[in-house]
Amino acid sequence: EVQLLESGGGLAQPGGSLRLSCETSGFSFSTSAMSWVRQAPGKGLEWVSAINGGGISTYYADSVKGRFTISRDNSNNTLYLLMNSLRAEDTAVYYCAKGRASVVSAALNYWGQGTLVTVSP
Amino acid sequence: DIQMTQSPSSLSASVGDRVTITCRASQGISNYLAWYQQKPGKAPKLLIYAASTLQSGVPSRFSGSGSGTDFTLTINSLQPEDVATYYCQKYKSDPLTFGGGTKVEIK
Repeated sequence: EVQLLESGGGLAQPGGSLRLSCETSGFSFSTSAMSWVRQAPGKGLEWVSAINGGGISTYYADSVKGRFTISRDNSNNTLYLLMNSLRAEDTAVYYCAKGRASVVSAALNYWGQGTLVTVSP
Repeated sequence: DIQMTQSPSSLSASVGDRVTITCRASQGISNYLAWYQQKPGKAPKLLIYAASTLQSGVPSRFSGSGSGTDFTLTINSLQPEDVATYYCQKYKSDPLTFGGGTKVEIK
């Protein structure tokens, strides 16, 4: 059974940092691209970042470029998102999602339950 | 960047109705298009990928079509459990943009 479990969300100050983790099991992690997708309260889905299976290629939405860093540990089947210089508009539920292929250009076939990040003074 | 525009933003239909949601890309994306269903308080779920391929386990009343810039998600015979918001997403290249969503309700 494929499982994705996000953690690391919580309350952060504007300008602060948080690191999200996504522990996975039940599939070949190293051959699956992974993404982070967020959803602000009452809003639609926003793709945030993606990384290919080997961890070499990374991609970011313009809204987070230069502030967020995606990474993965294929030996521990875990995906990360380091979020720096947080802003109020980063407040959202953050989902990790598994791609159908090792390249980023693939649909997202499994999703975690999400972790809430709140950025507020 | 390629923009993804969904319409309508919401709709209300009766049980048993055929429902159609459209998604338009601002540039051609071949068939690199997925549809997701999100029920309130839940994570999104993949319904269709490659514009028209049904994800395993998804009921056959869901279908997708289109290529290039214009795509359609159809629900044949709407069921109460189909109440949700539906999103399209293009994944040909980054950014992997989502459409704005279509909220489907029962009349």
